[in-house]
Amino acid sequence: AQKITQTQPGMFVQEKEAVTLDCTYDTSDQSYGLFWYKQPSSGEMIFLIYQGSYDEQNATEGRYSLNFQKARKSANLVISASQLGDSAMYFCAMRVISNFGNEKLTFGTGTRLTIIP
Amino acid sequence: KAGVTQTPRYLIKTRGQQVTLSCSPISGHRSVSWYQQTPGQGLQFLFEYFSETQRNKGNFPGRFSGRQFSNSRSEMNVSTLELGDSALYLCASAHRTPNTEAFFGQGTRLTVV
Repeated sequence: AQKITQTQPGMFVQEKEAVTLDCTYDTSDQSYGLFWYKQPSSGEMIFLIYQGSYDEQNATEGRYSLNFQKARKSANLVISASQLGDSAMYFCAMRVISNFGNEKLTFGTGTRLTIIP
Repeated sequence: KAGVTQTPRYLIKTRGQQVTLSCSPISGHRSVSWYQQTPGQGLQFLFEYFSETQRNKGNFPGRFSGRQFSNSRSEMNVSTLELGDSALYLCASAHRTPNTEAFFGQGTRLTVV
């Protein structure tokens, strides 16, 4: 079974500072993908970044980067130069590619990020 | 390019009733997945459809069912509603398999009274 652990229920960060959201995962499969989503109060899940287990370089998307440490089974999200609009819930998720077309995402419990002006 | 559209956005139903939720994926996407989000259980996978076929199913009772049409639009049905079914139901669509991006709709917030 797959498991995602997010140990930070809430974080407060000063505007313009960088922030790291922790995510560790557990799976015995060798082929998997890791996702980060942002969920504002409106409820929509906004895709931020993806990292494949065989990707050698850390994924980056604008201000978002994923610090992937395979041996430690961690996939931390780093947001550079935080903005007030970054205040939201952040979810780490994993998909195991154990068979064709397994699109099930397993989510962590989330981290509520609050950016302070 | 239109995003994932879920209707209705809000719904109030009475225990014992049934409900149907709709999800229109991004044009060209053939995979549609459904998730239930509650404060107690978090985000849980319900099922996934691809080209009108259910490919994956989560651990939910048979009261939860779904289907997908030839235009990739999907519906989710919950029969004999219980108070515990109150949740945000999210739909996600994906283009490739295996996907590297899954795009979610804004969800349908169901309240069972």
